[in-house]
Amino acid sequence: EIVLTQSPGTLSLSPGERATLSCRASQSVSSSYLAWYQQKLGQPPRLLISGASSRATGIPDRFSGSGSGTDFTLTISRLEPEDFAVYYCQQFGGSPMYTFGQGTKLEIK
Amino acid sequence: QVQLQESGPGLLKPSETLSLTCTVSGGSVISSNWWIWVRQPPGKGLEWIGETYHSGSTNYNPSLKGRVSVSVDKSKNQFSLKLTSVTAADTAVYYCARRPYYAVDVWGQGTMVTVSS
Repeated sequence: EIVLTQSPGTLSLSPGERATLSCRASQSVSSSYLAWYQQKLGQPPRLLISGASSRATGIPDRFSGSGSGTDFTLTISRLEPEDFAVYYCQQFGGSPMYTFGQGTKLEIK
Repeated sequence: QVQLQESGPGLLKPSETLSLTCTVSGGSVISSNWWIWVRQPPGKGLEWIGETYHSGSTNYNPSLKGRVSVSVDKSKNQFSLKLTSVTAADTAVYYCARRPYYAVDVWGQGTMVTVSS
């Protein structure tokens, strides 16, 4: 089973600042197999990024993904008030077990 | 656009079987998608449960294998989840979703299932 470890657990920033979220895999994952989601309280997750760096339909370009191998990053270039939420990464390389990271909570400072 | 809606009992007793259905609207279960189930215990993260393809192929979380089954009903354009011998640890919001490739792009709103005596 591939374990994904996200850091930090909680990130406190102000609107307008840059957010950098990390997702580290316990073994190498193809970039094609790494996705990022945003989840707000009481809502289902929303797909942000697939293939490590491809924004999903309708996702603003302030969201970007990067990385390869075991280290992946989600960057929000300039935080908007609606961006404060919990973010999860997910890998699809460890078939048939498609694990999620434990999440990073992005909160307003 | 495709929409998904979960349905099923919200309260179960320990040892009972959890049965949930996901109705697909705006699209067909007979398409190039995997149909998946994910759960989220209160205040915790996401756990992948399993998935099915319209051909009948399935993949399951090994930690649940033996208790879980996922299937497609083509005639009703639905897919379903069964989880046997539930305990309090199975209390969670259960989401059905669609996986067209290596990402989950459409999610249902989720349904809360509580296991309590």
